[in-house]
Amino acid sequence: DGGITQSPKYLFRKEGQNVTLSCEQNLNHDAMYWYRQDPGQGLRLIYYSQIVNDFQKGDIAEGYSVSREKKESFPLTVTSAQKNPTAFYLCASAVAGELFFGEGSRLTVL
Amino acid sequence: GQQLNQSPQSMFIQEGEDVSMNCTSSSIFNTWLWYKQDPGEGPVLLIALYKAGELTSNGRLTAQFGITRKDSFLNISASIPSDVGIYFCAGLNQAGTALIFGKGTTLSVSS
Repeated sequence: DGGITQSPKYLFRKEGQNVTLSCEQNLNHDAMYWYRQDPGQGLRLIYYSQIVNDFQKGDIAEGYSVSREKKESFPLTVTSAQKNPTAFYLCASAVAGELFFGEGSRLTVL
Repeated sequence: GQQLNQSPQSMFIQEGEDVSMNCTSSSIFNTWLWYKQDPGEGPVLLIALYKAGELTSNGRLTAQFGITRKDSFLNISASIPSDVGIYFCAGLNQAGTALIFGKGTTLSVSS
């Protein structure tokens, strides 16, 4: 099936640890995105990539890093510098301005 | 930066009622999209609007792209329990590189 796969769906980590969230798509889309969702806040853009080996910061990039070495993959690393990392993270790919989302990864920092 | 103001924040309605929600902005958007999110899932695209004044339907859903390109509304007719969820409006930013989302409207439907 074509789609976007995020893993893991749930993740727990201790303060001070880095964690990487996986996002893979087989839709052959050039553009990929990471959003963060907090209750009542909507979706806020962390990073996006329009093409392989290129990515740009979104509105809330501090404490996060990404890479785009392959068209299919856009992993997000939540670093220890992110002050409030507990959230629901959504990855998406896009064509013609329309985003298609994965099922999300819920990160909880203990 | 560009922002979208979505209202209402939440709605509690009876099954069978019609629902209306809207998004406004001080900036012009060239594309408006409406998404629905079920609990614990990613948002799913409902309707996409590309032209000012465009009115588009998808089953019981109808959405319009405001003529000023600064607003959009979504109507749901004859609501059913599975309409429950969070509805987001989104606009394509001026660079055409990313979607900006409203804060969502949480819909609850009682039967």
